[in-house]
Amino acid sequence: GAVVSQHPSRVICKSGTSVKIECRSLDFQATTMFWYRQFPKQSLMLMATSNEGSKATYEQGVEKDKFLINHASLTLSTLTVTSAHPEDSSFYICSARPSGGWNEQFFGPGTRLTVL
Amino acid sequence: LAKTTQPISMDSYEGQEVNITCSHNNIATNDYITWYQQFPSQGPRFIIQGYKTKVTNEVASLFIPADRKSSTLSLPRVSLSDTAVYYCLVGDQAGTALIFGKGTTLSVSS
Repeated sequence: GAVVSQHPSRVICKSGTSVKIECRSLDFQATTMFWYRQFPKQSLMLMATSNEGSKATYEQGVEKDKFLINHASLTLSTLTVTSAHPEDSSFYICSARPSGGWNEQFFGPGTRLTVL
Repeated sequence: LAKTTQPISMDSYEGQEVNITCSHNNIATNDYITWYQQFPSQGPRFIIQGYKTKVTNEVASLFIPADRKSSTLSLPRVSLSDTAVYYCLVGDQAGTALIFGKGTTLSVSS
């Protein structure tokens, strides 16, 4: 099946710093990628939809200036958590839907962010 | 987007068949039904997808009645490694995001 990677797999940073998370589709092109956040013992919450070559669409309650999304190519989307705070500590997961009408959505392995 | 309802948790023993039912009363004509499995600290993994009737692959079967208002994921002969959270989602092919419900936590014991 199609593979989605994320880098880094885990990151620890100090409060106030910015962290960039990469999401790559390794063997397919993805016009659209999605970013989710998951807190312990909870389900995945959609943060934003990332479209190649255009601005991301953010879900209600998600600050676009805090969670910067860039989808510069058909295989790469990045999420930057700016001025991170401890409450941003979470498991961030991306997913990608192959271009060309596929109905499946493939998820990355996730990135564990811990803000001290 | 159609909302889904699943049992919060289920318990089973190794070797048993497990059936997890999901309700999606407001499913749209273009919506497919997809099930994902998630282990702790991992991304969700695709299990199976269907539109109507029955779909079977090497790991599971998916039963969808004619009215499509529910679906049942069947896991034959579960093992300890099937302990995970299982999510039922509905969505169309238009590139819209999948919205996750609470999922079903399956615990398999020996």
